[in-house]
Amino acid sequence: QTVVTQEPSFSVSPGGTVTLTCGLSSGSVSTTYYPSWYQQTPGQAPRTLIYSTNTRSSGVPDRFSGSILGNKAALTITGAQADDESDYYCVLYMGSGIWVFGGGTKLTVL
Amino acid sequence: EVQLVESGGGLVQPGGSLKLSCTASGFNFSTYNMNWVRQAPGKGLEWVSFVSSSSGARYYADSVKGRFTISRDNAKKLLYLQMNGLRDEDTAVYYCARMYSKAFDIWGQGTLVTVSS
Repeated sequence: QTVVTQEPSFSVSPGGTVTLTCGLSSGSVSTTYYPSWYQQTPGQAPRTLIYSTNTRSSGVPDRFSGSILGNKAALTITGAQADDESDYYCVLYMGSGIWVFGGGTKLTVL
Repeated sequence: EVQLVESGGGLVQPGGSLKLSCTASGFNFSTYNMNWVRQAPGKGLEWVSFVSSSSGARYYADSVKGRFTISRDNAKKLLYLQMNGLRDEDTAVYYCARMYSKAFDIWGQGTLVTVSS
C-alpha cells in the first residue's frame, strides 16, 4: 500500500522561509497526483491552501506557494508569521477514485 | 455564503450503526462531487469516501469498504454517510468536503462519532 510521507515536524523563525514536502513511499509525485495542501489548527476544520500543485485557494495569501521539487510536492511559506503555526497536510489523488493524505507536519514558528 | 454543516454524530456501541448528514448551502450542490474525510482523536486526516455529482460513481477507503455507504439527495442538498458495523477505530470527527479540481475545497465543521461500549 502506498504511503504519503511528510516531515512530522518543522520549525521556522518568524519572517523566515520554510518548505514542507509531500512524497511517496514508492515513486515520485508529479502533477498527475493533483497534490493539494491544507492548514489545520487544533479544534478547527482544515483550511484549503493549495490545489492542483500550485493554485492558491481563494483568500490564501501569496506567501503560500506550491510546487514540485524533485520527486515531491512542496509547500513553501515565505515570511512566516506566528499564526502560521499549525498542522499542514497534503493529499494525493492516486487514481481510481482514491485519495491518500500524508501524516501531516506540525509547524512551529519560534 | 458557501457552507457545509454536518450532523448525526454521537456515541454508538461497537457493531452498531449511525447515519451522518451534511447540509449544503450557498452553492449549486448538484454539480459538485462530494466526500467524507475523518480524523481520529490526535491523529491525521483520512479520506473515507467519494460520490460524484450524479451519484454515478462512489469510492471508499479500504478501511470502510463494505461497511459504509455514501449517498446524496441533490434536491434536498444533502450528503449522507451510512455507517454499519462500527469499530473502535472508527471513532473520529467526520467532515464532509466539497471537491474541486480533485481537491477538498470547502469543509464542514465536523461531527464527532464515538464508538465505545
